[in-house]
Amino acid sequence: GAGVSQSPRYKVAKRGQDVALRCDPISGHVSLFWYQQALGQGPEFLTYFQNEAQLDKSGLPSDRFFAERPEGSVSTLKIQRTQQEDSAVYLCASSLLELSGANVLTFGAGSRLTVL
Amino acid sequence: DQQVKQNSPSLSVQEGRISILNCDYTNSMFDYFLWYKKYPAEGPTFLISISSIKDKNEDGRFTVFLNKSAKHLSLHIVPSQPGDSAVYFCAARGDGGSQGNLIFGKGTKLSVKP
Repeated sequence: GAGVSQSPRYKVAKRGQDVALRCDPISGHVSLFWYQQALGQGPEFLTYFQNEAQLDKSGLPSDRFFAERPEGSVSTLKIQRTQQEDSAVYLCASSLLELSGANVLTFGAGSRLTVL
Repeated sequence: DQQVKQNSPSLSVQEGRISILNCDYTNSMFDYFLWYKKYPAEGPTFLISISSIKDKNEDGRFTVFLNKSAKHLSLHIVPSQPGDSAVYFCAARGDGGSQGNLIFGKGTKLSVKP
Protein backbone atom coordinates (compact mmCIF):
# COMPACT_ATOMS: atom_id res chain seq x y z
CA GLY A 1 0.00 0.00 0.00
CA ALA A 2 0.87 3.67 -0.12
CA GLY A 3 1.54 3.98 3.57
CA VAL A 4 1.83 2.04 6.80
CA SER A 5 -1.58 0.71 7.75
CA GLN A 6 -2.53 -0.18 11.32
CA SER A 7 -5.63 -1.83 12.70
CA PRO A 8 -7.68 -1.48 14.73
CA ARG A 9 -7.40 2.30 15.03
CA TYR A 10 -9.11 2.18 18.41
CA LYS A 11 -9.38 -0.69 20.85
CA VAL A 12 -11.03 -0.75 24.26
CA ALA A 13 -10.17 -3.75 26.39
CA LYS A 14 -11.13 -4.84 29.86
CA ARG A 15 -8.23 -5.39 32.21
CA GLY A 16 -6.99 -8.92 31.81
CA GLN A 17 -8.04 -9.32 28.19
CA ASP A 18 -5.59 -10.17 25.43
CA VAL A 19 -5.30 -7.81 22.45
CA ALA A 20 -3.68 -8.07 19.04
CA LEU A 21 -2.65 -5.05 17.00
CA ARG A 22 -1.81 -5.38 13.33
CA CYS A 23 0.64 -3.49 11.17
CA ASP A 24 0.85 -3.62 7.39
CA PRO A 25 4.09 -1.89 6.38
CA ILE A 26 4.88 -0.26 3.07
CA SER A 27 5.40 -2.95 0.46
CA GLY A 28 9.06 -3.86 0.14
CA HIS A 29 10.12 -2.27 3.40
CA VAL A 30 12.58 -4.56 5.10
CA SER A 31 12.63 -2.98 8.54
CA LEU A 32 9.63 -2.72 10.85
CA PHE A 33 9.45 -1.07 14.26
CA TRP A 34 6.90 -0.85 17.04
CA TYR A 35 6.73 2.15 19.35
CA GLN A 36 4.51 2.92 22.33
CA GLN A 37 3.33 6.48 22.93
CA ALA A 38 1.73 7.22 26.27
CA LEU A 39 -0.35 10.35 26.73
CA GLY A 40 1.83 13.45 26.79
CA GLN A 41 4.99 11.53 25.98
CA GLY A 42 7.07 10.92 22.93
CA PRO A 43 7.11 7.53 21.19
CA GLU A 44 9.21 4.90 22.96
CA PHE A 45 10.88 2.04 21.12
CA LEU A 46 9.49 -1.44 21.71
CA THR A 47 10.92 -3.79 19.12
CA TYR A 48 12.49 -4.07 15.67
CA PHE A 49 12.31 -6.60 12.83
CA GLN A 50 14.47 -7.00 9.80
CA ASN A 51 12.37 -9.13 7.48
CA GLU A 52 11.03 -11.90 9.71
CA ALA A 53 13.85 -11.74 12.23
CA GLN A 54 13.23 -9.90 15.47
CA LEU A 55 16.61 -8.30 16.00
CA ASP A 56 15.85 -6.14 19.00
CA LYS A 57 13.12 -6.51 21.59
CA SER A 58 14.84 -4.60 24.34
CA GLY A 59 12.00 -2.08 24.64
CA LEU A 60 9.20 -4.53 25.34
CA PRO A 61 8.09 -3.61 28.87
CA SER A 62 7.23 -7.10 30.07
CA ASP A 63 6.80 -10.69 28.98
CA ARG A 64 3.12 -9.92 28.39
CA PHE A 65 4.19 -8.15 25.20
CA PHE A 66 4.97 -10.25 22.17
CA ALA A 67 5.54 -9.29 18.54
CA GLU A 68 5.87 -11.36 15.41
CA ARG A 69 6.39 -10.91 11.70
CA PRO A 70 6.33 -14.49 10.40
CA GLU A 71 6.54 -13.80 6.67
CA GLY A 72 8.54 -10.62 6.78
CA SER A 73 5.65 -8.32 5.91
CA VAL A 74 2.63 -7.95 8.21
CA SER A 75 3.42 -7.74 11.91
CA THR A 76 1.28 -8.31 14.98
CA LEU A 77 1.88 -6.90 18.43
CA LYS A 78 0.13 -8.97 21.09
CA ILE A 79 -0.44 -7.89 24.63
CA GLN A 80 -1.59 -10.54 27.07
CA ARG A 81 -3.53 -9.88 30.27
CA THR A 82 -3.74 -6.16 29.59
CA GLN A 83 -3.24 -3.72 32.43
CA GLN A 84 -4.33 -0.10 32.72
CA GLU A 85 -0.75 1.08 32.27
CA ASP A 86 -0.78 -0.50 28.81
CA SER A 87 -3.17 2.24 27.64
CA ALA A 88 -1.29 4.11 24.93
CA VAL A 89 -1.05 4.63 21.21
CA TYR A 90 0.95 1.86 19.57
CA LEU A 91 2.78 3.10 16.51
CA CYS A 92 4.22 0.95 13.79
CA ALA A 93 6.90 2.27 11.45
CA SER A 94 8.76 0.82 8.51
CA SER A 95 11.78 1.70 6.44
CA LEU A 96 13.23 0.40 3.22
CA LEU A 97 16.53 -0.76 4.59
CA GLU A 98 18.66 -0.52 7.65
CA LEU A 99 20.45 2.54 6.40
CA SER A 100 23.83 3.85 7.39
CA GLY A 101 22.55 7.39 7.19
CA ALA A 102 19.51 8.89 8.75
CA ASN A 103 17.03 6.07 8.98
CA VAL A 104 13.82 7.79 8.03
CA LEU A 105 10.94 5.85 9.45
CA THR A 106 7.47 6.07 7.96
CA PHE A 107 4.90 5.78 10.71
CA GLY A 108 1.36 4.51 10.63
CA ALA A 109 -1.47 6.42 12.30
CA GLY A 110 -1.31 4.16 15.33
CA SER A 111 -3.66 1.96 17.32
CA ARG A 112 -5.05 3.64 20.41
CA LEU A 113 -5.52 1.10 23.19
CA THR A 114 -7.61 1.94 26.23
CA VAL A 115 -7.65 -0.58 29.06
CA LEU A 116 -10.52 -0.18 31.52
CA ASP B 1 16.35 9.69 32.84
CA GLN B 2 15.41 11.42 29.62
CA GLN B 3 18.16 11.42 27.02
CA VAL B 4 16.28 13.78 24.68
CA LYS B 5 14.51 16.74 26.22
CA GLN B 6 12.11 19.25 24.78
CA ASN B 7 11.56 21.62 27.65
CA SER B 8 8.83 23.72 26.07
CA PRO B 9 5.54 21.84 25.88
CA SER B 10 4.01 24.54 23.71
CA LEU B 11 4.86 27.53 21.55
CA SER B 12 2.61 30.14 19.96
CA VAL B 13 3.79 32.22 17.02
CA GLN B 14 2.20 34.72 14.67
CA GLU B 15 1.90 33.77 11.02
CA GLY B 16 4.88 35.01 9.01
CA ARG B 17 7.23 35.12 12.00
CA ILE B 18 9.96 32.66 12.90
CA SER B 19 9.25 29.59 15.02
CA ILE B 20 12.17 28.19 17.01
CA LEU B 21 11.80 24.79 18.62
CA ASN B 22 14.54 23.61 20.94
CA CYS B 23 15.87 20.23 21.93
CA ASP B 24 18.61 19.17 24.36
CA TYR B 25 20.26 15.77 24.65
CA THR B 26 22.58 14.10 27.08
CA ASN B 27 24.26 11.32 25.11
CA SER B 28 27.27 12.48 23.11
CA MET B 29 27.24 9.20 21.16
CA PHE B 30 24.10 10.11 19.21
CA ASP B 31 25.03 10.25 15.52
CA TYR B 32 21.83 11.48 13.89
CA PHE B 33 19.08 13.82 14.92
CA LEU B 34 15.67 14.03 13.32
CA TRP B 35 12.59 16.17 13.62
CA TYR B 36 9.14 14.68 13.17
CA LYS B 37 5.86 16.53 12.90
CA LYS B 38 2.58 15.09 14.13
CA TYR B 39 -0.98 16.15 13.44
CA PRO B 40 -3.81 14.85 15.65
CA ALA B 41 -4.92 11.29 14.87
CA GLU B 42 -2.02 10.80 12.47
CA GLY B 43 1.38 9.19 12.83
CA PRO B 44 4.53 11.29 13.05
CA THR B 45 5.92 12.35 9.66
CA PHE B 46 9.59 12.99 8.99
CA LEU B 47 10.53 16.62 8.55
CA ILE B 48 14.30 17.09 8.51
CA SER B 49 17.45 15.49 9.89
CA ILE B 50 21.05 16.35 10.63
CA SER B 51 24.16 14.26 11.05
CA SER B 52 26.30 14.83 14.11
CA ILE B 53 29.20 15.83 11.84
CA LYS B 54 27.30 18.87 10.56
CA ASP B 55 26.06 21.98 12.29
CA LYS B 56 23.30 23.05 9.93
CA ASN B 57 20.88 21.53 7.48
CA GLU B 58 18.34 23.50 5.50
CA ASP B 59 15.27 22.40 3.55
CA GLY B 60 13.03 25.16 2.31
CA ARG B 61 11.45 26.95 5.25
CA PHE B 62 12.98 24.50 7.72
CA THR B 63 16.50 24.70 9.13
CA VAL B 64 18.00 22.57 11.85
CA PHE B 65 21.01 23.76 13.81
CA LEU B 66 23.22 21.50 15.89
CA ASN B 67 25.53 22.70 18.67
CA LYS B 68 27.43 19.62 19.75
CA SER B 69 29.38 21.30 22.52
CA ALA B 70 26.13 22.40 24.14
CA LYS B 71 24.33 19.18 23.19
CA HIS B 72 21.57 21.31 21.77
CA LEU B 73 19.67 21.45 18.52
CA SER B 74 16.96 23.71 17.25
CA LEU B 75 14.46 23.73 14.42
CA HIS B 76 13.73 27.06 12.76
CA ILE B 77 10.64 27.54 10.65
CA VAL B 78 10.49 30.74 8.67
CA PRO B 79 8.09 32.09 7.70
CA SER B 80 5.65 30.19 9.91
CA GLN B 81 2.30 29.23 8.41
CA PRO B 82 -0.96 28.15 10.08
CA GLY B 83 -0.54 24.71 8.50
CA ASP B 84 2.64 24.28 10.53
CA SER B 85 0.52 24.00 13.67
CA ALA B 86 1.31 20.52 15.01
CA VAL B 87 3.34 18.71 17.64
CA TYR B 88 7.04 18.58 16.79
CA PHE B 89 9.20 15.76 18.12
CA CYS B 90 12.96 15.82 18.30
CA ALA B 91 14.54 12.38 18.00
CA ALA B 92 18.07 11.06 18.25
CA ARG B 93 19.70 7.86 17.06
CA GLY B 94 22.49 6.12 18.90
CA ASP B 95 25.51 4.70 17.17
CA GLY B 96 24.80 1.19 18.34
CA GLY B 97 21.82 -1.09 18.44
CA SER B 98 18.98 -0.98 15.96
CA GLN B 99 19.32 1.72 13.35
CA GLY B 100 15.71 2.62 13.91
CA ASN B 101 15.89 2.79 17.66
CA LEU B 102 15.10 6.46 17.80
CA ILE B 103 14.85 8.17 21.16
CA PHE B 104 12.17 10.84 21.15
CA GLY B 105 11.56 13.91 23.23
CA LYS B 106 8.11 14.62 24.64
CA GLY B 107 7.26 17.05 21.86
CA THR B 108 6.44 20.73 21.53
CA LYS B 109 3.00 21.81 20.38
CA LEU B 110 3.35 24.67 17.91
CA SER B 111 0.40 26.96 17.25
CA VAL B 112 0.72 29.42 14.38
CA LYS B 113 -1.93 32.09 14.58
CA PRO B 114 -3.20 33.85 11.44
